[in-house]
Amino acid sequence: GESVGLHLPTLSVQEGDNSIINCAYSNSASDYFIWYKQESGKGPQFIIDIRSNMDKRQGQRVTVLLNKTVKHLSLQIAATQPGDSAVYFCAENNAGNMLTFGGGTRLMVKP
Amino acid sequence: EAGVVQSPRYKIIEKKQPVAFWCNPISGHNTLYWYLQNLGQGPELLIRYENEEAVDDSQLPKDRFSAERLKGVDSTLKIQPAELGDSAVYLCASSSGASAAYEQYFGPGTRLTVT
Repeated sequence: GESVGLHLPTLSVQEGDNSIINCAYSNSASDYFIWYKQESGKGPQFIIDIRSNMDKRQGQRVTVLLNKTVKHLSLQIAATQPGDSAVYFCAENNAGNMLTFGGGTRLMVKP
Repeated sequence: EAGVVQSPRYKIIEKKQPVAFWCNPISGHNTLYWYLQNLGQGPELLIRYENEEAVDDSQLPKDRFSAERLKGVDSTLKIQPAELGDSAVYLCASSSGASAAYEQYFGPGTRLTVT
């Protein structure tokens, strides 16, 4: 079946560097994408979203890029801080009101 | 404003025993979700409520799982009997609208261990 594909890799970055987390999706009908951050022992927390009619959206220190041609989504975090250490999930809305989550990427920030 | 409240935070039970999880959504949020999250994986939707009506329960294993939201506010998810494979984190989320475009606010989850 179609799904957001993401195994759980680990990205280790130095504090102050920029981080890029990637996500591949397979359903070309998906029209809305969200990035979530999940810290240990907590539920996922909304970071930023993007609709399929956009290719870039910026927030505070975060940017989401959407490439519909190759079905790729990325989250860029500028000046990564220790507080950014968490597992990051992308999610897509491809069936009405249901979100499908990917498998997550663990971000580790080295001080 | 209080977030989504879930209890208990942790539960350890033996297989074949029943277990129940409780969720109180953010005040005024009509849409409530129950998700299952296995270790290292993203949440998977079990059931979605609009007020007291279950509008999407296609992923809920109905032979052993049940849920209710009788007054359209708090909700209970039950497993009876529990199996070893049910060990996971059970997340509750709520939103102010029915569309997935409305931000979902997640609770901290209940970590279930079935021995």
